[in-house]
Amino acid sequence: QKEVEQDPGPLSVPEGAIVSLNCTYSNSAFQYFMWYRQYSRKGPELLMYTYSSGNKEDGRFTAQVDKSSKYISLFIRDSQPSDSATYLCAMSPRSYIPTFGRGTSLIVHP
Amino acid sequence: SQTIHQWPATLVQPVGSPLSLECTVEGTSNPNLYWYRQAAGRGLQLLFYSVGIGQISSEVPQNLSASRPQDRQFILSSKKLLLSDSGFYLCAWIGGKADTQYFGPGTRLTVL
Repeated sequence: QKEVEQDPGPLSVPEGAIVSLNCTYSNSAFQYFMWYRQYSRKGPELLMYTYSSGNKEDGRFTAQVDKSSKYISLFIRDSQPSDSATYLCAMSPRSYIPTFGRGTSLIVHP
Repeated sequence: SQTIHQWPATLVQPVGSPLSLECTVEGTSNPNLYWYRQAAGRGLQLLFYSVGIGQISSEVPQNLSASRPQDRQFILSSKKLLLSDSGFYLCAWIGGKADTQYFGPGTRLTVL
């Protein structure tokens, strides 16, 4: 079993939809949970990070962590075509060296 | 502001040839630097990380090596490339806080 599992998709939604992206993990030592956005042929950029369980909101993006279920989510409200990208989840213990999921390809069509 | 440069952007090399990828960082000193590889449809695989000049930690045994000759320079090398070395190579600076993470633009390597 991989430490971090993420469905590669693609996930195709219409503009304006609410998008839900998810990851599961197996390592109980993970305390930091990150989401990255990666446009085609570019390096990833950190979107959000959350420490331990709970929710965090930043504009149209909301990150949720459920440590009891070992499950994290990223919600995108009012999705836009410019949100089309690959979204990578990552997790780390205190060392901040993240372990990445495979990434989910998101396509938002007009 | 922090900036990470990588070159070349794209590289096509024959099997058995040598490799040298370079990463330089601006806007910080004594950064923790990382080399990741991203194969098609796969997540990022950590290859090497360095906490200072001459200090290299290897995460995956393979035919690649890394060096840190200067504080803000990180080099990935190979003496003989394999087909399986193809991928997207990313240099990253990960600082002391969870929100201090920057990736370079990447080098796309194709080994034929």
